[in-house]
Amino acid sequence: EPEVTQTPSHQVTQMGQEVILRCVPISNHLYFYWYRQILGQKVEFLVSFYNNEISEKSEIFDDQFSVERPDGSNFTLKIRSTKLEDSAMYFCASRDERGSTEAFFGQGTRLTVV
Amino acid sequence: AQRVTQPEKLLSVFKGAPVELKCNYSYSGSPELFWYVQYSRQRLQLLLRHISRESIKGFTADLNKGETSFHLKKPFAQEEDSAMYYCALSGTGGSYIPTFGRGTSLIVHP
Repeated sequence: EPEVTQTPSHQVTQMGQEVILRCVPISNHLYFYWYRQILGQKVEFLVSFYNNEISEKSEIFDDQFSVERPDGSNFTLKIRSTKLEDSAMYFCASRDERGSTEAFFGQGTRLTVV
Repeated sequence: AQRVTQPEKLLSVFKGAPVELKCNYSYSGSPELFWYVQYSRQRLQLLLRHISRESIKGFTADLNKGETSFHLKKPFAQEEDSAMYYCALSGTGGSYIPTFGRGTSLIVHP
């Protein structure tokens, strides 16, 4: 069964460094999402991406964040200058356009900013 | 604005006991409601959605529009049901962005 895959599974970075989290959505899906989950808190929407552009973003998704689909298969989330409070689990999800509202999630990347 | 409320952070029961995980929502239109489950060290996966009206692993959930609720129920809990359960809502008016509740940790004791 096709799955959304995310790499790496765990990333440790120093405060102020840039990180790129990678996701490979399910191949025929057209909508892509990033969510984050700070330890002990709920899963929060960051951004959605469709047709090579951001379709919606939350207030969390400020100028430090960016997304792109560099090669038609990968979907990346970049955090330009990480802060301690960026430490969280980051989930990528994708959705098929054809009427289904079910989002399929990756296994997550745990980002630890030290 | 769409919002999902799961009032219980933790629900602890014994094997064989009935389980009800509560979910209330706020949405101005007609939403689509889901329950996602996350077993230890695994990804979020869809458990069930209201439009399919099915029972998965013995779980059911009925959408009550009057009470704006979508509680998840199982008559006899099993140890393997221990997991985090997230209620989620998607608007049907366009972007379908799932909004999640904070999750309820279900622990089923032997």
